[in-house]
Amino acid sequence: NAGVTQTPKFQVLKTGQSMTLQCAQDMNHNSMYWYRQDPGMGLRLIYYSASEGTTDKGEVPNGYNVSRLNKREFSLRLESAAPSQTSVYFCASSEAEKGLVDSGEQFFGPGTRLTVL
Amino acid sequence: AQRVTQPEKLLSVFKGAPVELKCNYSYSGSPELFWYVQYSRQRLQLLLRHISRESIKGFTADLNKGETSFHLKKPFAQEEDSAMYYCALSARGGSNYKLTFGKGTLLTVNP
Repeated sequence: NAGVTQTPKFQVLKTGQSMTLQCAQDMNHNSMYWYRQDPGMGLRLIYYSASEGTTDKGEVPNGYNVSRLNKREFSLRLESAAPSQTSVYFCASSEAEKGLVDSGEQFFGPGTRLTVL
Repeated sequence: AQRVTQPEKLLSVFKGAPVELKCNYSYSGSPELFWYVQYSRQRLQLLLRHISRESIKGFTADLNKGETSFHLKKPFAQEEDSAMYYCALSARGGSNYKLTFGKGTLLTVNP
């Protein structure tokens, strides 16, 4: 089991360029999440997908879009990158499913370090 | 809305000294609290959760609902404990478990 994988590991963009960050999990989890990690700000939720076919905004969704392609994959798209989007992006997944009680533990990917010039 | 506060950005102790990382939360419902840890160049991983009441790597944390706190403690710090620690809150109910993270505390254990 690879757990949660993310591609690419590093990326440098120019302002205005677009790109998609890929995330996949092989744990058959229902819920997936995208966070950004910034110094002094901790982890902030960008978007999440409670289950296949649904997506919802998190705390900082502006400038991003997401696609839950299937149960395994959840991508994050920057349509027009800005320097303020320079950050480390983490994808995570959890077993949470509607109607069921679970521990809420999330499993994280290794992160994508994005720099926007 | 829920909120998690970690008042210390940085915490530095010597090896063998006790360590306490503070976490306070704000949530009107029944929360689940977690501590996640991120070692240098590694992914974020769960350290412990309050419902299991475990001791992991010598760390413990007790949920104090009266003080709305979930402080992480270890009686004798080791150099390998140096890492970024995040307290997180999960709001029960609904169709998913979103985590709200604190801003993190960077723990450095000096030799």
